[in-house]
Amino acid sequence: ETGVTQTPRHLVMGMTNKKSLKCEQHLGHNAMYWYKQSAKKPLELMFVYNFKEQTENNSVPSRFSPECPNSSHLFLHLHTLQPEDSALYLCASSQVEGATYEQYFGPGTRLTVT
Amino acid sequence: AQTVTQSQPEMSVQEAETVTLSCTYDTSESDYYLFWYKQPPSRQMILVIRQEAYKQQNATENRFSVNFQKAAKSFSLKISDSQLGDAAMYFCAYRSARGSEKLVFGKGTKLTVNP
Repeated sequence: ETGVTQTPRHLVMGMTNKKSLKCEQHLGHNAMYWYKQSAKKPLELMFVYNFKEQTENNSVPSRFSPECPNSSHLFLHLHTLQPEDSALYLCASSQVEGATYEQYFGPGTRLTVT
Repeated sequence: AQTVTQSQPEMSVQEAETVTLSCTYDTSESDYYLFWYKQPPSRQMILVIRQEAYKQQNATENRFSVNFQKAAKSFSLKISDSQLGDAAMYFCAYRSARGSEKLVFGKGTKLTVNP
């Protein structure tokens, strides 16, 4: 595996279900991010982790719970979601320090809440 | 707070022609980075080009170049010799050079390339 991978690629869940999204980066980066991409809206940053520590929570509802056990893995735990949470969830990674700062994205998980 | 505006929801171009995508941003900072990302249909978002605000020279990457106008807070992307594989959503993004690693994205421009 190379780059940033995400599983599952597609997920359909009911409002009472509990599920988790997984992200893994193989780039040796030390920062990881969760974004939400909805139709007709800009990408919304949800969470930022630097060296496994959460450094940003962009006013995300508590039904989304991130977990970063190490610099290579990032999870997004989902519970009691709402239909408006249906979206493409993108994971990204980057180096915190360095000359480039660009973020590398995974393919995303397409989430549908029924 | 910084904002990024892409005023063209959709654009189209003929294969082999040149197209320019617009992006403006609002910030009170003097040091920052600007990016153009490409997201093909059902595929991964990838970085197209990057510009450091302290550099006066416009960035270029093969057929992709930018017109960075710092005073006007404008950052347009020019695609020369357009190819069918250039069809995608294009997102302009801003990142402060200090503090947060947060990327602020525009809403995107959908580019169609006609054969």
